[in-house]
Amino acid sequence: KNEVEQSPQNLTAQEGEFITINCSYSVGISALHWLQQHPGGGIVSLFMLSSGKKKHGRLIATINIQEKHSSLHITASHPRDSAVYICAVRFDVYSGGGADGLTFGKGTHLIIQP
Amino acid sequence: EAQVTQNPRYLITVTGKKLTVTCSQNMNHEYMSWYRQDPGLGLRQIYYSMNVEVTDKGDVPEGYKVSRKEKRNFPLILESPSPNQTSLYFCASSNIMTKGALTDTQYFGPGTRLTVL
Repeated sequence: KNEVEQSPQNLTAQEGEFITINCSYSVGISALHWLQQHPGGGIVSLFMLSSGKKKHGRLIATINIQEKHSSLHITASHPRDSAVYICAVRFDVYSGGGADGLTFGKGTHLIIQP
Repeated sequence: EAQVTQNPRYLITVTGKKLTVTCSQNMNHEYMSWYRQDPGLGLRQIYYSMNVEVTDKGDVPEGYKVSRKEKRNFPLILESPSPNQTSLYFCASSNIMTKGALTDTQYFGPGTRLTVL
């Protein structure tokens, strides 16, 4: 079965630190999403990537298609960044992906302490 | 305001009693999807729809039905709920990008917490 692995599962850091969350997948993809789930449960889509790099405010997402790996970086982290960060991929049709099914990682639980 | 709404937000029911969770979006999105989220398993896709009258199974479709008669609505139907369907359910929608079948940023509903006794 095509899989998505995230690391670390849990991460606690001090305010201001540079944060990196990793996502690896087993076979070729056509799109990768980064999502943020707040403690109250709501989910927000942060990025959708198919190549290269995207930046929004203090968040940066990169993807290396050849290495089947993506990273989400948070610069100058703040306690309000505390959330679960989830990676999701659409495996391409040659990898057994459906027309647009998504497979999710189990999430990285991030806590930023003041 | 652009949004995805789900109803009900909380539901406690009993085994075998048919129920429907509604999902509606006001962004004219083609793509809509249902997910369930369980501790230790993360989010898993149940069903998705690329447009009106076009639906497809995700990873965990057993025990669920969907329909897409209108672009804005995508209800999730549990014909005979069982305790293993106790979960947190999310509906999401997005545009479909013109290149291939890629989807754009997804917008999520607030979630429906379902308990089946």
